[in-house]
Amino acid sequence: DIQMTQSPSSFSASVGDRVTITCRASQDISNYLAWFQQKPGKAPKSLIYAASSLQSGVPSKFSGSGYGTDFTLTINSLQPEDFATYYCQQYNSYPYNFGQGTKLEIK
Amino acid sequence: EVQLLESGGALVPPGGSLRLSCAASGFTFSSYAMTWVRHAPGKGLEWVSSISGGGGSTYTDSVKGRFGISRDNSKNTLYLQMNSLRAEDTAVYYCAKGVDFLPSYMDVWGKGATVTVSS
Repeated sequence: DIQMTQSPSSFSASVGDRVTITCRASQDISNYLAWFQQKPGKAPKSLIYAASSLQSGVPSKFSGSGYGTDFTLTINSLQPEDFATYYCQQYNSYPYNFGQGTKLEIK
Repeated sequence: EVQLLESGGALVPPGGSLRLSCAASGFTFSSYAMTWVRHAPGKGLEWVSSISGGGGSTYTDSVKGRFGISRDNSKNTLYLQMNSLRAEDTAVYYCAKGVDFLPSYMDVWGKGATVTVSS
């Protein structure tokens, strides 16, 4: 199985900050990597697919990059609605494992 | 508009069975893979099972032999039959739509159904 490791697991940032979350796969997954946002009590929301393609309707302040085993999600100009938990997921091979999540909190 | 609506969540005793449904609308259901993902209390997201548009399925190891995913393309509905339920199966279960006939990325999610396994 491919293990997905996110870092950090949690951190605090301020409104207006630019933040980067890292996701590392235990083996090469090409660009079969997605990012999701989840707020408490809500369903996940799709943000990025194929490592860097923006899901329709998602603001361009979100961007993804990476290939192989190392990936990043960057969020520009944080707004209050961006404080949530973010997950990466690989869909290169079964099981389609998620990372453990990164909880982004307001400083 | 693409919509997914889960139903069937309940409180069940350990060893019990439950069937979740996911009613889909706004797209050609038979053309897309579908997936179940769960979120246990205090834990992260966990991929559970996926099914292709043609019915081919796959499962995470912890549910193999206990859960069965299926779809009725004539009713635009996805199912998850859960047997021999354990306390660790307690979670919110989400259905999600794929972007291709074969399972891959999920672009639209339902609001979830709560399953609680407890005596």
